[in-house]
Amino acid sequence: DIQMTQSPSSLSASVGDRVTITCRASQGITNYLAWYQQKPGKVPKVLIYGASTLQAGVPSRFSGSGSGTDFTLTISSLQPEDVATYYCQQYNSAPLTFGQGTKVEIK
Amino acid sequence: EVQLLESGGGLVQPGGSLRLSCAASGFTFSNYAMSWVRQAPGRGLEWVSALSGSATYIYYADSVKGRFTISRDNSKNTLYLQMNSLRAEDTAIYYCAKRGEARPASEAYFDYWGQGALVTVSS
Repeated sequence: DIQMTQSPSSLSASVGDRVTITCRASQGITNYLAWYQQKPGKVPKVLIYGASTLQAGVPSRFSGSGSGTDFTLTISSLQPEDVATYYCQQYNSAPLTFGQGTKVEIK
Repeated sequence: EVQLLESGGGLVQPGGSLRLSCAASGFTFSNYAMSWVRQAPGRGLEWVSALSGSATYIYYADSVKGRFTISRDNSKNTLYLQMNSLRAEDTAIYYCAKRGEARPASEAYFDYWGQGALVTVSS
């Protein structure tokens, strides 16, 4: 199974800050990586797929990069509505696996 | 508008059974692989099972293999998850999820999620 490791597990940043979350796969997954946002009490929502393709309707302050084993989700200017837990997911092969999540809070 | 609506959750004793349903609308259901993903209270996301659009290809997480069965009725636009021999560690919100871009059921990300069905396994 492919293990997905996110870092950090949580972070606190100020409104307007640039925020970066990393996700590392235990083996190469080319660009078959998605990022999800889950706000408290809500359903997960896909932000990015194919490592860097923004899902329709997602604000452009979100961006993704990486390939192989190392990936990054960046929020260019953190907004109050971005408070959530963010998950990466590999879809290179079954079993599909998620990272453990990164909780983002406002300082 | 894509909609996924789960039902069938509830409280069940260890060793018991439950069947979840997911009614889909707003897209051509038979063309899309579907999955179940669960989330234990306060925990992260765990993929459970996937089924291709034609129901030809089926995949399970090791944690549920042999106990859970995924199926679909394309005439009713409905996905199912039959859960047997339930354990306390199966307690979670169960989401049905539609695959994103055209890829096999075993290689999918999810562009739409249902609201979830809570399954609680406790005596």
